[in-house]
Amino acid sequence: QTVVTQEPSFSVSPGETVTLTCGLSSGSVSTNYYPSWYQQTPGQAPRTLIYSTNTRSSGVPDRFSGSILGNRAALTITGAQADDECDYYCVLYLGSGTWVFGGGTKLTVL
Amino acid sequence: QVQLVQSGAEVKRPGASVKVSCKASGYTFTGYYIHWVRQAPGQGLEWMGWISPHSGGTNYAQKFQGRVTMTRDTSISTAYMELSRLTSDDTALYYCARLPPYSTSLYYFDYWGQGTLVTVSS
Repeated sequence: QTVVTQEPSFSVSPGETVTLTCGLSSGSVSTNYYPSWYQQTPGQAPRTLIYSTNTRSSGVPDRFSGSILGNRAALTITGAQADDECDYYCVLYLGSGTWVFGGGTKLTVL
Repeated sequence: QVQLVQSGAEVKRPGASVKVSCKASGYTFTGYYIHWVRQAPGQGLEWMGWISPHSGGTNYAQKFQGRVTMTRDTSISTAYMELSRLTSDDTALYYCARLPPYSTSLYYFDYWGQGTLVTVSS
């Protein structure tokens, strides 16, 4: 069974840059997995941030960016703000009509 | 504007079934797959499967095969997710989400429902 791994938690200071990553239990993440990223604040439905590795969803500030770093997908937040403090999830498309979510990263901004 | 509006919260006994609805508006219902994702309290998101509103075709995550059934009613632009043989581990928020057409090769969820809380308790 394919497992998608994310850092369980991350801490960043306001104004600093943070990179969250998304990997596979076996193998490397590439653009062929069409990684997407979602932001979720408590009590709310997820909000789409990035799709197809590096395309920002409509209305998403350009301080959010996506990429492949080494063998992992990455979400970079440049100039973290207090309201960026929430949970972030990546999703990979495994092919054959199957998707899998990462376990999520709880980001703290302090 | 695109909206996915889900049915209200449910409380079920262990062993029972639950059926959650997701009513779509603001776009052509049959043009986009509907996926279902759940989130147990304090836990992460979990992909459950999808239905093609056009064909009725489905694909379920292995974990839920044999226990989940996804259907749709195109006349009212509504998708359904039914989960049977419920246990306390099925207590979760259940979300529907829309996927752009496969022809676009955009394999992500662009719109989400508000979520439906299903509580399984004796």
